[in-house]
Amino acid sequence: KAGVTQTPRYLIKTRGQQVTLSCSPISGHRSVSWYQQTPGQGLQFLFEYFSETQRNKGNFPGRFSGRQFSNSRSEMNVSTLELGDSALYLCASSFQSTDGYTFGSGTRLTVV
Amino acid sequence: AQTVTQSQPEMSVQEAETVTLSCTYDTSENNYYLFWYKQPPSRQMILVIRQEAYKQQNATENRFSVNFQKAAKSFSLKISDSQLGDTAMYFCAFVRWGAQKLVFGQGTRLTINP
Repeated sequence: KAGVTQTPRYLIKTRGQQVTLSCSPISGHRSVSWYQQTPGQGLQFLFEYFSETQRNKGNFPGRFSGRQFSNSRSEMNVSTLELGDSALYLCASSFQSTDGYTFGSGTRLTVV
Repeated sequence: AQTVTQSQPEMSVQEAETVTLSCTYDTSENNYYLFWYKQPPSRQMILVIRQEAYKQQNATENRFSVNFQKAAKSFSLKISDSQLGDTAMYFCAFVRWGAQKLVFGQGTRLTINP
């Protein structure tokens, strides 16, 4: 079956712009999580959605937001981009978290 | 809050050797799950192995096995007969039962040399 699909794979944006990243989970998975990966901070949890509801949110500013659609596809949005937002953004889906998450290949965001 | 520590930033072994990656964690929870993920240069995180804290038996998946010491809060990964394709970053991760957030260690960069 198809894996977790993230689009786009690469993105270059200018400071102050906003960006939207997309994630299509594995069919049947209703939980979708987002993580930010940087060399300095490692992997940090952004938020998790289940059946269109945000169940958990990490310690990120309000510029980071997300949503989930009725087909479980999810988007995350970052407004007013800063240089420090440059990172690999990973999406993961699961039937239930204790099964372990399946990750996508990520979106590499570069803010210039 | 839970924390996960991987004390080996980098490791390097020869092909066919056995290598053990260390992971310790801190939690007051009794019911939780531990994972090892592999991230090759392709960037995709791949689940290697999963351990349920209430199970004393160590998990095994082909050449990959864990040594789970619950009292010591230790969860090491052993890779037997290492292969060039095992070269990757390896992350230890924790999730408590009922939660959705994975807590990751900082990772260990493993290189398998021919």
